[in-house]
Amino acid sequence: GQQVMQIPQYQHVQEGEDFTTYCNSSTTLSNIQWYKQRPGGHPVFLIQLVKSGEVKKQKRLTFQFGEAKKNSSLHITATQTTDVGTYFCAGPLGGGSNYKLTFGKGTLLTVNP
Amino acid sequence: DADVTQTPRNRITKTGKRIMLECSQTKGHDRMYWYRQDPGLGLRLIYYSFDVKDINKGEISDGYSVSRQAQAKFSLSLESAIPNQTALYFCATSDGGSKTEAFFGQGTRLTVV
Repeated sequence: GQQVMQIPQYQHVQEGEDFTTYCNSSTTLSNIQWYKQRPGGHPVFLIQLVKSGEVKKQKRLTFQFGEAKKNSSLHITATQTTDVGTYFCAGPLGGGSNYKLTFGKGTLLTVNP
Repeated sequence: DADVTQTPRNRITKTGKRIMLECSQTKGHDRMYWYRQDPGLGLRLIYYSFDVKDINKGEISDGYSVSRQAQAKFSLSLESAIPNQTALYFCATSDGGSKTEAFFGQGTRLTVV
C-alpha cells in the first residue's frame, strides 16, 4: 500500500551540530507537511510544502520538497536543546479529496548540551 | 480552551472492558481522525471521517469502532480492550480543502491491564 517513510528513526547530536531528517513517499504527493512533537506533547504543525522543488525556511529550519514531489527533508542548523523532540512528515495519500493524512514514523532528535 | 479536546487524558482499564475515548473540536473542520502512537511506530491511522455521514477505516482499525455524533464530535471505542491496545491515542482535525494541516488534541494515554 501507499506509504510515507522517514529516516533516521533516531538522531543524537551535540548542541551546535546540524541535523537532517528525510521523508520519502511511495507515490507523488500534492503537498507534504512537517510536524514537531515535544516530549510529552502532541504533534504541532510546522509547515506545508506544495510546489515541486520548493524550499522554505523558518529561522534555523530549512524544509525542501523534491522535484518529483515524492521526497522531502528537514534540516536544522546549529541545533539547540529546544529542538529536542520527534519530527514527523505527513502526506495526503489516497488521491483527490478522499485522502487520508498519513504520517512517517518520525525521527526522534535528542541534543546533548 | 483547546481547539481539539480529548477526554479522558489518562485511563487505566481491564482486559475485556469496553472503553470510549471522546474528541470534540471547535475549529469547524469537517475532517476528523483517530491515530494511535506507539514508540518506534509513529502515528498510525485508526479511523477517519470526512463528515458526519462518512466513516473510513485506517490502517489499524481491527478492534476499534468509531462514531461521528456531530461535526464537532468523533469518538473511538474499544469494544473489548486487550493489553496490546495500550498506547497514546490522538484525535486530529483538518480542513477539507487545500489546507490539509492537522490540529491535534492533547492525547489520551490508555493502559489496558
